[in-house]
Amino acid sequence: EAQVTQNPRYLITVTGKKLTVTCSQNMNHEYMSWYRQDPGLGLRQIYYSMNVEVTDKGDVPEGYKVSRKEKRNFPLILESPSPNQTSLYFCASSFGQGYGYTFGSGTRLTIV
Amino acid sequence: GESVGLHLPTLSVQEGDNSIINCAYSNSASDYFIWYKQESGKGPQFIIDIRSNMDKRQGQRVTVLLNKTVKHLSLQIAATQPGDSAVYFCAENSNSGGGADGLTFGKGTHLIIQP
Repeated sequence: EAQVTQNPRYLITVTGKKLTVTCSQNMNHEYMSWYRQDPGLGLRQIYYSMNVEVTDKGDVPEGYKVSRKEKRNFPLILESPSPNQTSLYFCASSFGQGYGYTFGSGTRLTIV
Repeated sequence: GESVGLHLPTLSVQEGDNSIINCAYSNSASDYFIWYKQESGKGPQFIIDIRSNMDKRQGQRVTVLLNKTVKHLSLQIAATQPGDSAVYFCAENSNSGGGADGLTFGKGTHLIIQP
């Protein structure tokens, strides 16, 4: 089944403790992207990648890192999480510009 | 910057009626539009898309209309069912403006189905 898989689905952690949210897609998509979704603010792009080893900042990149060492994987790294990064996160992938994204099921992060 | 917006944050319809969800966009360079459905606790799910060389596209129970003159996009859902309850949002894609990779999402309309 064609899908975007992200883990974990839920995580509660403490301020400053490094964490990684993994994302993997099996559709051979070129583009991958991370979004955060907050009430009243909609989907905001954190980082995106147009190909292996190519990553770019989105609208809200501060406090996040990403890497794209393989085409299928695009992990999101929070080096020193803070409470304002508590949010619902989505990974997504697509064939490229001019095509829609396929989204993962989401990761609910709570930083206390 | 230019952005995608929705006319109504919440839309309540009777089960069996048709629903119309609207979206206004302001980037005249946008050439591709998508409607997504997001159910509670799930990720956004692709419903239907349309490119700027078309003004109407139909799927199963859904129709998307594009009016480039007034920069308006709508999603029509026929014979609304309880399973249609969700947040619906539109997205536009252009090679100029918009999100970092050209894709801009609206904030969403919550469709509520009354029994």
